[in-house]
Amino acid sequence: EIVLTQSPATLSLSPGERATLSCRASQSASSYLAWYQQKPGQAPRLLIYDASNRATGIPARFSGSGSGTDFTLTISSLEPEDFAVYYCQQRSNWPPMYTFGQGTKLEIK
Amino acid sequence: QVQLQQWGAGLLKPSQTLSLTCAVYGESFSAYYWSWIRQPPGKGLEWIGEINHSGSTNYNPSLKSRVAMSVDTSKNQFSLDLISVTAADTAVYYCARVGSLGREIVVWGQGTLVTVSS
Repeated sequence: EIVLTQSPATLSLSPGERATLSCRASQSASSYLAWYQQKPGQAPRLLIYDASNRATGIPARFSGSGSGTDFTLTISSLEPEDFAVYYCQQRSNWPPMYTFGQGTKLEIK
Repeated sequence: QVQLQQWGAGLLKPSQTLSLTCAVYGESFSAYYWSWIRQPPGKGLEWIGEINHSGSTNYNPSLKSRVAMSVDTSKNQFSLDLISVTAADTAVYYCARVGSLGREIVVWGQGTLVTVSS
């Protein structure tokens, strides 16, 4: 069973700064990694799929990279609405299941 | 545009059965897998399982002994039953649609808070 470890747990930055969030998998699972954003009281929203593809309607300041066991979500210049919790997620073939990281909280400095 | 509308009992006693249903609007029900995911208050996301239109399922091994999912294709609905609930099952439960290649969760329902308390 894949375990996803996100770092840091909390990231404190100011609007306009660059954010770099990390997700490490316990075993290689190719490039099938997704990233989600969740704001308080809301359902998560898909940002990135297959490690580097932006979902429909996601601004270009969000980008994803990585493969194998190490993945990164980058927000090039933070907007006030970007402060939220971010989760990474992978799908494993055996057992067939989805696993989420524990989340990174991006907060205003 | 796809919409997921979910409902079910919000307050349960320990040992009771949690039952939730999700209706799918504006999407081909038969084209995708449909998932349930939960989130305890203040904590992260946990995938519960998925089902397709023919009733084929995959469950989280940690919950498999207590979970059952079903579909009603005539109504474009799918359901979750979780038996023998405890306080640890208190969470917001989301229904969701899996991506076409089965690798990510593309659409989420609004979530239902289910509280287990005596």
